[in-house]
Amino acid sequence: GAVVSQHPSWVICKSGTSVKIECRSLDFQATTMFWYRQFPKQSLMLMATSNEGSKATYEQGVEKDKFLINHASLTLSTLTVTSAHPEDSSFYICSASLAGGPLTDTQYFGPGTRLTVL
Amino acid sequence: KNQVEQSPQSLIILEGKNCTLQCNYTVSPFSNLRWYKQDTGRGPVSLTIMTFSENTKSNGRYTATLDADTKQSSLHITASQLSDSASYICVVSRSNDYKLSFGAGTTVTVRA
Repeated sequence: GAVVSQHPSWVICKSGTSVKIECRSLDFQATTMFWYRQFPKQSLMLMATSNEGSKATYEQGVEKDKFLINHASLTLSTLTVTSAHPEDSSFYICSASLAGGPLTDTQYFGPGTRLTVL
Repeated sequence: KNQVEQSPQSLIILEGKNCTLQCNYTVSPFSNLRWYKQDTGRGPVSLTIMTFSENTKSNGRYTATLDADTKQSSLHITASQLSDSASYICVVSRSNDYKLSFGAGTTVTVRA
């Protein structure tokens, strides 16, 4: 149980285009989903926290207009990288929490999406 | 500052041998500590989770220990296999919010 999927698993796009990444909780409802970015040989860095039906909370230094997050249902959150540039190339990982609310810390991670911007 | 430090940064071991990875943290207030295995190009997969009152937790050939007083944890891999080659990440969560503090990981390479 507690399986999280991401689509696509990898994507290559031209500079200036937008890319949408989907994160789905397959066998549970996730009130809260998290988006992380990981550069090579570095730790996961939290980008934003999204709660179903409300606006996402972005970490300091993350541009909310560039990284659009939509959490329209309890099983789906999307991250759209707008006007992508080569420096946005990274490994994007989502996670979903079984129980919602500010005190939850049980996160299940997706397999990640490799984004390469040419 | 809530930090998680892991050592070593990387290590190479021969198949069948044991190894121990270290994690020191300053995260407070402490909720739990998890060890994750992350294969290259994949998302992290949970190996163990320990709360304040737990000193050790095993998952097959993986055994994690926790000393909440010294804020140290270790992950011991017994009889390593080639499939153990991965990055092992120590993650600590606080009891007052949902955010996780990640270590940079230890890259383990098992060679035949």
